[in-house]
Amino acid sequence: GAGVSQSPRYKVAKRGQDVALRCDPISGHVSLFWYQQALGQGPEFLTYFQNEAQLDKSGLPSDRFFAERPEGSVSTLKIQRTQQEDSAVYLCASSLAGGGLYGYTFGSGTRLTVV
Amino acid sequence: GQNIDQPTEMTATEGAIVQINCTYQTSGFNGLFWYQQHAGEAPTFLSYNVLDGLEEKGRFSSFLSRSKGYSYLLLKELQMKDSASYLCAPYSYMDSSYKLIFGSGTRLLVRP
Repeated sequence: GAGVSQSPRYKVAKRGQDVALRCDPISGHVSLFWYQQALGQGPEFLTYFQNEAQLDKSGLPSDRFFAERPEGSVSTLKIQRTQQEDSAVYLCASSLAGGGLYGYTFGSGTRLTVV
Repeated sequence: GQNIDQPTEMTATEGAIVQINCTYQTSGFNGLFWYQQHAGEAPTFLSYNVLDGLEEKGRFSSFLSRSKGYSYLLLKELQMKDSASYLCAPYSYMDSSYKLIFGSGTRLLVRP
């Protein structure tokens, strides 16, 4: 597609519910990052994929968070047993290659509210 | 670990020039990104500096000093639409992976 697409745009979850957030990167993009952004803060790194390989998951806050990119294109961020502190905007960004010279394009994000 | 420092807020007047500074400490440094983020929107790419020096792109310029761990974003001829957060993000390669870590952002308010 023309840009990075994220769905759903908004998600309200009851505490304890599992959620799945989807990221469709630009076609052919190899590198993919997930971020969590709280209000008034910069994006916080969660995890990084190069194709289907998850090379870095050091930013995932707990074992309730899980990300996958099984075919090297679409990626899903899953949060199990959601808690109120998980409320944030979740951003996905992709790039043609890992070197940085192509820049990273962000999706519009998923705003997750846990009630 | 990584440490990124940029001012929290800045205010400037329409038509003026403003410089947003960023200092960083990181391992495996490749280059540095600047992104603009309007409230409620996704970050959009402004610049990527790999080499030392100033890169100019229209009203926006970005400077990098790798030895000093320092960068700045220069915005000229400020317009009201430039009111946004500006995010400094060093890009690194370490432990067989790329890392793009963002600072907390500088919220710029442009006044008439």
